[in-house]
Amino acid sequence: GENVEQHPSTLSVQEGDSAVIKCTYSDSASNYFPWYKQELGKGPQLIIDIRSNVGEKKDQRIAVTLNKTAKHFSLHITETQPEDSAVYFCAAGGNYQLIWGAGTKLIIKP
Amino acid sequence: GAGVSQSPSNKVTEKGKDVELRCDPISGHTALYWYRQSLGQGLEFLIYFQGNSAPDKSGLPSDRFSAERTGGSVSTLTIQRTQQEDSAVYLCASSLGGTHTGELFFGEGSRLTVL
Repeated sequence: GENVEQHPSTLSVQEGDSAVIKCTYSDSASNYFPWYKQELGKGPQLIIDIRSNVGEKKDQRIAVTLNKTAKHFSLHITETQPEDSAVYFCAAGGNYQLIWGAGTKLIIKP
Repeated sequence: GAGVSQSPSNKVTEKGKDVELRCDPISGHTALYWYRQSLGQGLEFLIYFQGNSAPDKSGLPSDRFSAERTGGSVSTLTIQRTQQEDSAVYLCASSLGGTHTGELFFGEGSRLTVL
């Protein structure tokens, strides 16, 4: 079936450094790629999304890039802060369903 | 309320008992989703509602799991004859439409522990 692979499963970075999380999808019909952040004890929350007609999107310290040819997309967080510590999920969606990655636990070291 | 509300937030039950989990979506959201999240794992899709109908229930793990939605609003996920492997956090999400290309608003989840 369709799947989304997400790497790394855990990422530890020094506060102030950048973090990059990568996802690869298999369904070429996917045209919507959201990223969700899940803090401990909470439900996931959308932080940024991108559609297939756009290659890059930025919102303050967060950016997402999409390469449809290679079928991969990435989340970039710059100038990381302690509040960025959480689990991040990517997903790829089309007309029928949203397929989720397994998640990346991001740890920001002081 | 302003967000998706789930109850109970925590449920401990004995193996073999039935449980009901409730989800109250954001008013006006026609699409509603149930997901299961085991400890430290990703999101496992269970079922999707558009209005009161469930066009996709492919993720329900067994016939012990069922869900309904009434009045295009509140949804109930029922697990019959619970097993220890059912222990997980059950997340509900709602969205404005059902195209799978819009923002999902999640509740905080119902943590189920089966002893």
